[in-house]
Amino acid sequence: GESVGLHLPTLSVQEGDNSIINCAYSNSASDYFIWYKQESGKGPQFIIDIRSNMDKRQGQRVTVLLNKTVKHLSLQIAATQPGDSAVYFCAENRWNSGYALNFGKGTSLLVTP
Amino acid sequence: EPEVTQTPSHQVTQMGQEVILRCVPISNHLYFYWYRQILGQKVEFLVSFYNNEISEKSEIFDDQFSVERPDGSNFTLKIRSTKLEDSAMYFCASSEKVRETQYFGPGTRLLVL
Repeated sequence: GESVGLHLPTLSVQEGDNSIINCAYSNSASDYFIWYKQESGKGPQFIIDIRSNMDKRQGQRVTVLLNKTVKHLSLQIAATQPGDSAVYFCAENRWNSGYALNFGKGTSLLVTP
Repeated sequence: EPEVTQTPSHQVTQMGQEVILRCVPISNHLYFYWYRQILGQKVEFLVSFYNNEISEKSEIFDDQFSVERPDGSNFTLKIRSTKLEDSAMYFCASSEKVRETQYFGPGTRLLVL
């Protein structure tokens, strides 16, 4: 079925290393993608977004890459810090469905000292 | 920094009772949303609201759910007759424009006994 999904449920990295979290989508109408961070007991926190007219977008310590050919996006976190430990969700929005965000299942990122 | 707020943070209710979850969206935002997250699962879209009417709803948003903007600042989700399976975190979100970044509140944890 149509879905937004994550390749790995958990990711453990050492402090200072770079982290890469992957996400696949299946709907060709998806053209707006957002990464959210969710800490325990809190709501999703916006990290970065990208539209389908771009392949790459950078923020502070984060980069999102979008490969429309294989319907894949990734979130790269540079110099991962303990405060980055959280669950990361990708979400997508479709041009023919203006309102709903469709979330993936989430990847739990654990940063070890 | 403006943020979405939600009350209460926790709500415990008996099956069959009505609950009202409250949200104050970011003040200049025009689009409002409700999502839910069952424990350990992904965030699911319920409904979006614009210009005092529902703009989109999911299959989850059946006749027992309703939304309202009773005044210029609050946005509510009412569940008329709660069921055990309604137990979840409910998140309110808002955005300035359609298909722009949706900012989430901290959530209300609803437990139906």
